[in-house]
Amino acid sequence: DAGVIQSPRHEVTEMGQEVTLRCKPISGHNSLFWYRQTMMRGLELLIYFNNNVPIDDSGMPEDRFSAKMPNASFSTLKIQPSEPRDSAVYFCASSQKGSGRGRNTIYFGEGSWLTVV
Amino acid sequence: TQLLEQSPQFLSIQEGENLTVYCNSSSVFSSLQWYRQEPGEGPVLLVTVVTGGEVKKLKRLTFQFGDARKDSSLHITAAQPGDTGLYLCAGGPGATNKLIFGTGTLLAVQP
Repeated sequence: DAGVIQSPRHEVTEMGQEVTLRCKPISGHNSLFWYRQTMMRGLELLIYFNNNVPIDDSGMPEDRFSAKMPNASFSTLKIQPSEPRDSAVYFCASSQKGSGRGRNTIYFGEGSWLTVV
Repeated sequence: TQLLEQSPQFLSIQEGENLTVYCNSSSVFSSLQWYRQEPGEGPVLLVTVVTGGEVKKLKRLTFQFGDARKDSSLHITAAQPGDTGLYLCAGGPGATNKLIFGTGTLLAVQP
């Protein structure tokens, strides 16, 4: 079975440019998460969707960041304009939201390594 | 804000040694998970614990959830080089399905 698929795997861009990261969740999963990982701050949740609807975007650092999920099989995270401090690994993850405790196993993609110079 | 603090941050040991990693919070979590992340990859789930006091074993790894569901530990017996990686605990607040990740423990097992 295909896991969570992210693209691009690596991107180097100049400050001020627009960056778009893409994610295809595991088929049948109804929750999608965008995380950012850096050495200084660890793994931070940016935003997550249930059934394509954004539920919690409190982790989005500022207005330069936006995320969309137009359908159950695709999501984008956009940074415009990008800044050097946005350099990080961005992970997309998906899960099948269930009832009760312990039902939220999250499956991660391999990450998009972003460097803004 | 719910925070999960892990200790130690870094650990370098010799093959065959035992170790324990701790995950602590002042908040109660409905469930707690442990992940391992290898370089260039995303975190991979190892185990989920949901009941206070619960102990789960996965080969040489033993996971325990604290009685009050605020803390957890991971014990590795006879560590092997293949255990090298970043270990992350993650808590589920309960009402939602989002996870809060801990600060991470970077483990290096030398042959």
